Amino acid sequence: DTEVTQTPKHLVMGMTNKKSLKCEQHMGHRAMYWYKQKAKKPPELMFVYSYEKLSINESVPSRFSPECPNSSLLNLHLHALQPEDSALYLCASSPDSRREQYFGPGTRLTVT
Amino acid sequence: GQNIDQPTEMTATEGAIVQINCTYQTSGFNGLFWYQQHAGEAPTFLSYNVLDGLEEKGRFSSFLSRSKGYSYLLLKELQMKDSASYLCAVRAILTGGGNKLTFGTGTQLKVEL
Repeated sequence: DTEVTQTPKHLVMGMTNKKSLKCEQHMGHRAMYWYKQKAKKPPELMFVYSYEKLSINESVPSRFSPECPNSSLLNLHLHALQPEDSALYLCASSPDSRREQYFGPGTRLTVT
Repeated sequence: GQNIDQPTEMTATEGAIVQINCTYQTSGFNGLFWYQQHAGEAPTFLSYNVLDGLEEKGRFSSFLSRSKGYSYLLLKELQMKDSASYLCAVRAILTGGGNKLTFGTGTQLKVEL
């Protein structure tokens, strides 16, 4: 298995909803990442997990809450989001934090 | 902080060669990556340089000069499917530990007949 999977592909949520994005990889990678990408902009790093521990939080608002239940899974819990949070949310993994990253297809999130 | 510059757009002809440049300024430099991203899709890893010189991978090559803060991606024998955004990304070691990858704004390449 050489891919990163993400669910759901699309998500529409209201500003009072609670939802979660899921990411999974079975390549034995020990670093996992969440990025946010707006249209015609590059991906922006949100969080890095290395060996299942949060190693980088890029000053992301607390309405985004990451979780790494085990070495294969990464979740992003969403609560009380704003319309400006609408974007493509990309998960990536790498063998370790120094190596190339492999991206999942992303979840396209719309906040209404 | 980091500063990464790439041309916004380039156009080239099918079968030709195109070079996409990237210049960067960063502290704690620890590698430069090139990614390809088609519209509406996730970025795909193309190449990686951490030492000076040229890395070749099929139709794609990437060059790095650390002293000049400069890299380029060379695409040979262009095909229509190479029309995409090409992202230069710089990895830096953070003062608090860990590595962070920062992407440039991307170069939109259009391949024409």
